[in-house]
Amino acid sequence: QSVLTQPPSVSGAPGQRVTISCTGSSSNIGAGYDVHWYQQLPGTAPKLLIYGNTNRPSGVPDRFSGSRSGTSASLAITGLQAEDEADYYCQSYDSSLSVLWVFGGGTKLTVL
Amino acid sequence: EVQVAESGGGLIQPGGSLRLSCAASGFTVSSNYMNWVRQAPGKGLEWVSVIYSGGSTYYADSVKGRFTISRDNSKNTVYLQMNSLRVEDTAVYYCARGNDYGDYWGQGTLVTVSS
Repeated sequence: QSVLTQPPSVSGAPGQRVTISCTGSSSNIGAGYDVHWYQQLPGTAPKLLIYGNTNRPSGVPDRFSGSRSGTSASLAITGLQAEDEADYYCQSYDSSLSVLWVFGGGTKLTVL
Repeated sequence: EVQVAESGGGLIQPGGSLRLSCAASGFTVSSNYMNWVRQAPGKGLEWVSVIYSGGSTYYADSVKGRFTISRDNSKNTVYLQMNSLRVEDTAVYYCARGNDYGDYWGQGTLVTVSS
């Protein structure tokens, strides 16, 4: 059971917009801690996609965007492309736990 | 160019020990927070341990007392000494730089604990 809750899977057709939710609680996202997102392509290491809720590292297309509100955060992907098919993880900090990073369970994005 | 590269994984029997290495280039490990994150087969990501720039170390409860994180500044390398390994420690172990989040990750090294 992950501290942050994500849907196991989402799907969309090429060119469409999809969103992935990440629901936390008052000890993590709700407490104001930042949310970060990673993309993990099949058989590869996680790659930082969004940091500090809304910021994109250099090289990440602006088709990817993040937001945070209350105890939740979301990752939006517009203009869906076949190469976006991957697992996506949200990550934050939780003040009630003795860990540095807490992760969501991951969401598998399928491009139809 | 910033890079991290893990090594040292393999097949080990339950109760055994293994030491993973994370060699960094393009930055200094002693000036950064360095983390180990693992991913069991077909599962999600789990934070394991961190060593702060000041040298403090922290562990997930699941590995506390069995794993030890350290670094060798002269080699710009971080280590994860894993003792009393259990079947449930089987995973790909990633090294990642960062405090609030991991901005650079290695390719991972697979640890399989099985008899």
